[in-house]
Amino acid sequence: QGLLVESGGGLVEPGGSLRLSCAASGFDFADHYMAWFRQTPGQGLEWISYISQTGGDILYADSVKGRFTISRDNTKNSFHLQMNSLKIEDTAVYYCASEPRTGDYWGQGTLVTVSS
Amino acid sequence: DVVVTQSPLSLSVTLGQPASISCRSSQSLVYITGHTYLHWFLQRPGQSPRRLIYQVSNRDSGVPDRFSGSGSGTDFTLKIDRVEAEDVGVYYCMQGTHSPFSFGPGTRLDLK
Repeated sequence: QGLLVESGGGLVEPGGSLRLSCAASGFDFADHYMAWFRQTPGQGLEWISYISQTGGDILYADSVKGRFTISRDNTKNSFHLQMNSLKIEDTAVYYCASEPRTGDYWGQGTLVTVSS
Repeated sequence: DVVVTQSPLSLSVTLGQPASISCRSSQSLVYITGHTYLHWFLQRPGQSPRRLIYQVSNRDSGVPDRFSGSGSGTDFTLKIDRVEAEDVGVYYCMQGTHSPFSFGPGTRLDLK
């Protein structure tokens, strides 16, 4: 059974940056696409980015394109979301997950609050 | 982008009674491989979403057989044969066929 644990959330001012991390265990991490989703009370659940096994296939939702960067380190069974130019509307619980097309495993979530 | 809708948005059910949730998509969810990437998740209060059903009708490991999924193309249904207390929460359908992948607005199930 796969386990995903997010870290790196917190309070940041508009225009600021945060880096989220997701540590994976219990499955062959290097064999899987990985993804980030987020959840806000007003907008519900939203897929925001995915990355392929080797990083050669990356996609972003329009809402974060140009501001967020996804990356992974298969030697450490982890992947990351670098979030720059944060906006108030990026406030959400961010979840990492395996296999974006099917959402196999999800982490417990980390809260990102963008506020002045 | 594919729009996913659910109905009803809330459901109040007596213990032991059945429940049914409908999910509709604005485009067919059949992928070029022939697979249909429509899944059902349950989010209990204070928890992250947990997948119950994948690719329309396949139950995840540990999911009771009172849960079943059906449908094709653009119309899908999640059924609970006999609702139990642990089934309370918000149910989401998600499409993973067309990027950006998208979710329905959720159906809140509580006990009457």
